[in-house]
Amino acid sequence: EAGVTQFPSHSVIEKGQTVTLRCDPISGHDNLYWYRRVMGKEIKFLLHFVKESKQDESGMPNNRFLAERTGGTYSTLKVQPAELEDSGVYFCASSRNGIDEYFGPGTRLTVT
Amino acid sequence: QKEVEQDPGPLSVPEGAIVSLNCTYSNSAFQYFMWYRQYSRKGPELLMYTYSSGNKEDGRFTAQVDKSSKYISLFIRDSQPSDSATYLCAPRPTDSWGKLQFGAGTQVVVTP
Repeated sequence: EAGVTQFPSHSVIEKGQTVTLRCDPISGHDNLYWYRRVMGKEIKFLLHFVKESKQDESGMPNNRFLAERTGGTYSTLKVQPAELEDSGVYFCASSRNGIDEYFGPGTRLTVT
Repeated sequence: QKEVEQDPGPLSVPEGAIVSLNCTYSNSAFQYFMWYRQYSRKGPELLMYTYSSGNKEDGRFTAQVDKSSKYISLFIRDSQPSDSATYLCAPRPTDSWGKLQFGAGTQVVVTP
């Protein structure tokens, strides 16, 4: 069974630009999550999809972040416009039962 | 006060020793207690989890939860150099799917 995949693995953009991160969950996992780790901080929850619906988006930092999961399969997280404080590692995770979550390798975002 | 406190280490032990890791938490609503292992530049990997109080053993790993003192432990027996990684505790409540609350992670170094 393939694991959670994320693309790109690393992205370097300038402040003000737009970046879109993609996550492909494990096949059959209805639950999909986004997390973020900024330098020196803990991994923090951003939001949770159940199929294509947003179950909980309380962790999204502001309206510059937009997550979608069309068709209940892969998900994208768009940051527009990017700010310096958005730099960090963005993790995606998926779960079949909403309890044990399996993480992808992360996308390292650097905003200069 | 953080919801989950975890000593970042590093914790250095000789090969074959028992590694003892722990977290404390403040939210009484936490019911699931997850332990993740993260190698450098990789995503967190779920090691094991427990529900409510008690012990759980899986091979060389033992997880313990004491809800009365809000204390979570992970023990690694017969440690190997391949166990060198960062270990993250991540409890979650049952009334909020997703929202793992990660500790800072403890870096473990097992020396041959």
